Amino acid sequence: ETGVTQTPRHLVMGMTNKKSLKCEQHLGHNAMYWYKQSAKKPLELMFVYNFKEQTENNSVPSRFSPECPNSSHLFLHLHTLQPEDSALYLCASSPMAGTGALGANVLTFGAGSRLTVL
Amino acid sequence: GDSVTQMEGPVTLSEEAFLTINCTYTATGYPSLFWYVQYPGEGLQLLLKATKADDKGSNKGFEATYRKETTSFHLEKGSVQVSDSAVYFCALSDWSGEGGATNKLIFGTGTLLAVQP
Repeated sequence: ETGVTQTPRHLVMGMTNKKSLKCEQHLGHNAMYWYKQSAKKPLELMFVYNFKEQTENNSVPSRFSPECPNSSHLFLHLHTLQPEDSALYLCASSPMAGTGALGANVLTFGAGSRLTVL
Repeated sequence: GDSVTQMEGPVTLSEEAFLTINCTYTATGYPSLFWYVQYPGEGLQLLLKATKADDKGSNKGFEATYRKETTSFHLEKGSVQVSDSAVYFCALSDWSGEGGATNKLIFGTGTLLAVQP
């Protein structure tokens, strides 16, 4: 399988549940990203990982906990979420996150995980 | 901080009509500019990009020119098709952290384009 794959595609959870979103890329990229897409808002960058190290946390609440065990996999662990956290969560990857190389800032996105918090 | 403003949608056009989706940006440095497209049920895909002033990005009949004097990167297509129906996002690149340690994209809110046969 090629590209960026996200699972599950849809998730419904209660505010007391614990769940995880998974992202996997087969592009040989070294940087991975989580974005939140809400209706009528710009995409919000949540986290950036470069060579498995977190390089950006955009003031995300601690109820969202990212994990990057290797350059190909990225997780977003969810616990005690609020209804306003309902959104489409997009994972993306790029060749690298910290250089001036032209391809560094071209992101490849997954199809997203649609999260509904009841 | 850096930001992107694009026209609100939805934009509804008939097939073969001319398309313009406006995008303006605010940036302190010299960003690269992008248009991404999101088809229903899919993730965002890069449509075109421009890395410096006066560059023109083009792909699949779409064009956008990096205008530094007006801080704009408007998307155009001469003749739209039903298959172009999607959400279009304008974005700019930004560097943050020590020595520009983190490269990230800043997106606009997206513009929904609906093309009717």
